[in-house]
Amino acid sequence: LAKTTQPISMDSYEGQEVNITCSHNNIATNDYITWYQQFPSQGPRFIIQGYKTKVTNEVASLFIPADRKSSTLSLPRVSLSDTAVYYCLVGDIHQTNSGYALNFGKGTSLLVTP
Amino acid sequence: EAGVVQSPRYKIIEKKQPVAFWCNPISGHNTLYWYRQNLGQGPELLIRYENEEAVDDSQLPKDRFSAERLKGVDSTLKIQPAELGDSAVYLCASSLELGGTTDEQYFGPGTRLTVT
Repeated sequence: LAKTTQPISMDSYEGQEVNITCSHNNIATNDYITWYQQFPSQGPRFIIQGYKTKVTNEVASLFIPADRKSSTLSLPRVSLSDTAVYYCLVGDIHQTNSGYALNFGKGTSLLVTP
Repeated sequence: EAGVVQSPRYKIIEKKQPVAFWCNPISGHNTLYWYRQNLGQGPELLIRYENEEAVDDSQLPKDRFSAERLKGVDSTLKIQPAELGDSAVYLCASSLELGGTTDEQYFGPGTRLTVT
């Protein structure tokens, strides 16, 4: 089962691009990579999901290299409101037992300052 | 569209007392999850339902925790008796599809439990 490793914290200034990398060396063939965002006193919120190469939506981009052993969440031009904890999850679409598939870990705490 | 509803939002009880949390998922969502989140940690899955069937309860402490999802809609998570270490935020989430673990989950605001 694929376990993920992320930096504990990151700091950024407003307007900068932020890249958060997640390592998942044991990712399996059927595993997808999913990122969630959590603000204080709220439940996590889905940001983006991908399997390989690049995925982009209105909020973020997800870059996945060919070996899929890592992934990078890219947040363009962050604002103060992007201060949150970001979680990387790796899951098997056919898996019925959680294992690490629903393991949020500690996530990356991003602090954006003026 | 209404999101996942949880109640109560806050609960303070003394140790050894029972407590129950209620969750109403998004209408039409077949899968329901209960998580526990300790301070400074990510959510930890307790139990996952597909309709009314618990398909994964491997991380639910069955000696004191119980859950049910009657009719495959609302769900209740109970702790009896509560211990000091149960103080945490209990999150409920739901997702549309059955099977697999990558479907987008929608989370409720959580119930913050304090055991004194």
